[in-house]
Amino acid sequence: GAVVSQHPSWVICKSGTSVKIECRSLDFQATTMFWYRQFPKQSLMLMATSNEGSKATYEQGVEKDKFLINHASLTLSTLTVTSAHPEDSSFYICSARGTDNQPQHFGDGTRLSIL
Amino acid sequence: GEDVEQSLFLSVREGDSSVINCTYTDSSSTYLYWYKQEPGAGLQLLTYIFSNMDMKQDQRLTVLLNKKDKHLSLRIADTQTGDSAIYFCAESSTGGGNKLTFGTGTQLKVEL
Repeated sequence: GAVVSQHPSWVICKSGTSVKIECRSLDFQATTMFWYRQFPKQSLMLMATSNEGSKATYEQGVEKDKFLINHASLTLSTLTVTSAHPEDSSFYICSARGTDNQPQHFGDGTRLSIL
Repeated sequence: GEDVEQSLFLSVREGDSSVINCTYTDSSSTYLYWYKQEPGAGLQLLTYIFSNMDMKQDQRLTVLLNKKDKHLSLRIADTQTGDSAIYFCAESSTGGGNKLTFGTGTQLKVEL
């Protein structure tokens, strides 16, 4: 149980393109979903927290107009990287959690490469 | 902010036990977690422990928590080559909105 699916797993696109990444909880309802960014050989950096039906809370230094997050249902959150540039290239990972005291379960990540 | 520290690298022989250590600073941590990350993949939840527990065992995995010293360890018995991965320690607290604070990750290499 507690499976989180993330798509796509790998995206290569041109500079200036907007890219949407989906995160779905397959067998549980996710009250809260999280979006992380991971640089090579580093730990995860939390970008934002999203609760179903409300606006996402962004961490300091993360541009909300650049990284649009939508959490329209209890099983789906999306991250849209708008007008992506090479510096946005990274590994993006989502996680989902049921209630506050339950652990976060992670997707398999999306490798984003901007040319 | 709160801090979680791990050693960067551990090498063991197949069949031996591995012990990965973690220290944290948040005295109000509620839960402590161990996640495994294989190359190019997301994080897999291995186990987690509530802060009022000292130990938790799950098959080959044993978690020890010393709350006084803010020290967490993960012991993997009979380590196999498939255990080679990066292991992340993480903590959450109610006061921190139950967000996870991750350690730097420990690269475990299992040699034949």
